[in-house]
Amino acid sequence: GAGVSQSPSNKVTEKGKDVELRCDPISGHTALYWYRQSLGQGLEFLIYFQGNSAPDKSGLPSDRFSAERTGGSVSTLTIQRTQQEDSAVYLCASSSKGTGLNIQYFGAGTRLSVL
Amino acid sequence: AQSVTQPDIHITVSEGASLELRCNYSYGATPYLFWYVQSPGQGLQLLLKYFSGDTLVQGIKGFEAEFKRSQSSFNLRKPSVHWSDAAEYFCAVAPYSGGGADGLTFGKGTHLIIQP
Repeated sequence: GAGVSQSPSNKVTEKGKDVELRCDPISGHTALYWYRQSLGQGLEFLIYFQGNSAPDKSGLPSDRFSAERTGGSVSTLTIQRTQQEDSAVYLCASSSKGTGLNIQYFGAGTRLSVL
Repeated sequence: AQSVTQPDIHITVSEGASLELRCNYSYGATPYLFWYVQSPGQGLQLLLKYFSGDTLVQGIKGFEAEFKRSQSSFNLRKPSVHWSDAAEYFCAVAPYSGGGADGLTFGKGTHLIIQP
């Protein structure tokens, strides 16, 4: 695609439910990143994929969060047993390679609201 | 670990006036530096970046930024703002060794308001 695509754009869920957020990176980009944007914490880096591998998962806020990437393309961020503090905008970015020299291109994000 | 400080949460500027948004970083070596802009409901768009070389970098939409190593700063400037520049601006840093595993570290952002 022309840019990074995220779906859904908005998600409202009830506390305790599981949610899946999807990211479709720019075609050919091997690196993919997830960030969370919230009023209190600003923009936080969550996890990075090089191909299908995530070398470091320590940025995920809790063990309720998981992410996977298949086929070196689409990635899914899953939040289990959602809590109100999970309400935020989840942003995905991709870059051609996973180094600081490579520009990260961002999607429009998924706004998650946990009631 | 690296950190980024944007001291101004909000800035109000009259249309046509000049603009400077401040950014200070903390990092042990020369980092890669970025400015992104976010309009309401939109993702982040890269305005400009600094990797090495000339410390004054030009970006899109008439923006420029100057890297000052002695001050650990990377301030964003524009000579004359337009109403369409109203947005949230983020300064970010990636470690020199490669930002992949760590991602970008962002400042808290500066909300720019343009007065007619």
